[in-house]
Amino acid sequence: GQNIDQPTEMTATEGAIVQINCTYQTSGFNGLFWYQQHAGEAPTFLSYNVLDGLEEKGRFSSFLSRSKGYSYLLLKELQMKDSASYLCAVRDFDYGGATNKLIFGTGTLLAVQP
Amino acid sequence: NAGVTQTPKFQVLKTGQSMTLQCAQDMNHEYMSWYRQDPGMGLRLIHYSVGAGITDQGEVPNGYNVSRSTTEDFPLRLLSAAPSQTSVYFCASSLHPGTYNEQFFGPGTRLTVL
Repeated sequence: GQNIDQPTEMTATEGAIVQINCTYQTSGFNGLFWYQQHAGEAPTFLSYNVLDGLEEKGRFSSFLSRSKGYSYLLLKELQMKDSASYLCAVRDFDYGGATNKLIFGTGTLLAVQP
Repeated sequence: NAGVTQTPKFQVLKTGQSMTLQCAQDMNHEYMSWYRQDPGMGLRLIHYSVGAGITDQGEVPNGYNVSRSTTEDFPLRLLSAAPSQTSVYFCASSLHPGTYNEQFFGPGTRLTVL
């Protein structure tokens, strides 16, 4: 079956570092995405990993270990505006190898406190 | 570019009514999809399309129909609305299936079925 697990909620302090974990068990794997979603708004793209290792983009970094079915999103120098839900999504693939079907976790609601 | 647009933003229906949620994109994207987002459930794929004239079912297709007559438009039809279809609906598009392509999400339609 398809299963993606993330913590439901996290709290962190402004200026600190927070790591949001994601574990997955899916029938296929063709990349892992992280999206940010502010309350009442649409998800917006943060990062993409398809090979093992760390991808860094400014204050945000994402790590992938395919053998462990594990990823994390690292947010540095937290700001109040980082309070949002963070969605982990795995891209499935079909036998033709061409699909963009995403399987989403339920999201992690991050609250940044002063 | 307007990106991905959705109409209406809010809608209230009575059980048994029908309606169409509109989605359009002006980025010449081949891949388009519809998700619903419910509390504690994450985003779930309803239907998707890999190009004009081609559609397929996602994870939760029952009660919904789609068509893709043009590259730009991907409407979602509810033939006989039910309270279980109360949700936030997001349309998304990406350049083409296969290799890395982030999905761009529309602003969402908040649907209530009484």
